[in-house]
Amino acid sequence: KAGVTQTPRYLIKTRGQQVTLSCSPISGHRSVSWYQQTPGQGLQFLFEYFSETQRNKGNFPGRFSGRQFSNSRSEMNVSTLELGDSALYLCASRWSGDQETQYFGPGTRLLVL
Amino acid sequence: DAKTTQPPSMDCAEGRAANLPCNHSTISGNEYVYWYRQIHSQGPQYIIHGLKNNETNEMASLIITEDRKSSTLILPHATLRDTAVYYCIVFSSFGNEKLTFGTGTRLTIIP
Repeated sequence: KAGVTQTPRYLIKTRGQQVTLSCSPISGHRSVSWYQQTPGQGLQFLFEYFSETQRNKGNFPGRFSGRQFSNSRSEMNVSTLELGDSALYLCASRWSGDQETQYFGPGTRLLVL
Repeated sequence: DAKTTQPPSMDCAEGRAANLPCNHSTISGNEYVYWYRQIHSQGPQYIIHGLKNNETNEMASLIITEDRKSSTLILPHATLRDTAVYYCIVFSSFGNEKLTFGTGTRLTIIP
């Protein structure tokens, strides 16, 4: 079974721009979560989507948004990029039964100049 | 906030067993103990999880104390490719789906 895939793997943007990252979950998984990882803050939860609905959200500003499509693929959008948004963005999928394990993708490394 | 405490770093000789401790003294009854590892700049990799019984899979063993306030991840024969940051996480999917990662333990396997 193919793992979680994320595109693009690397991205360079400038301040004020917006960016959209994509995540394809493992086949059959209905839940997709997004995380941000920076050297200073570590790995932090952004939000989770299940059946096209956001059902949990971390403490990030409204510039960070996401959505999920009917095929469970998910996108994350960051508007008005700031230098501090430079990070590794990870997505994780799971089937969404109780205690189901989350499996992570390789991440998208975003650099904001 | 992370609900676990791990040593920031550990070394282990190649071929020996690596024993990584984790304290989770405030764990609640429906929370599982999960272990992930992250090799530099890659996504976290699931290793193992358990509730109260010891668990073993092809990657590792997980020993959970009877009071569930601490656990130990054991890599039986460490190789250089096991060098990574190891995260111990307590997690329950009932009403709270997010994984909360702490700072983990940076394990270095020494040749």
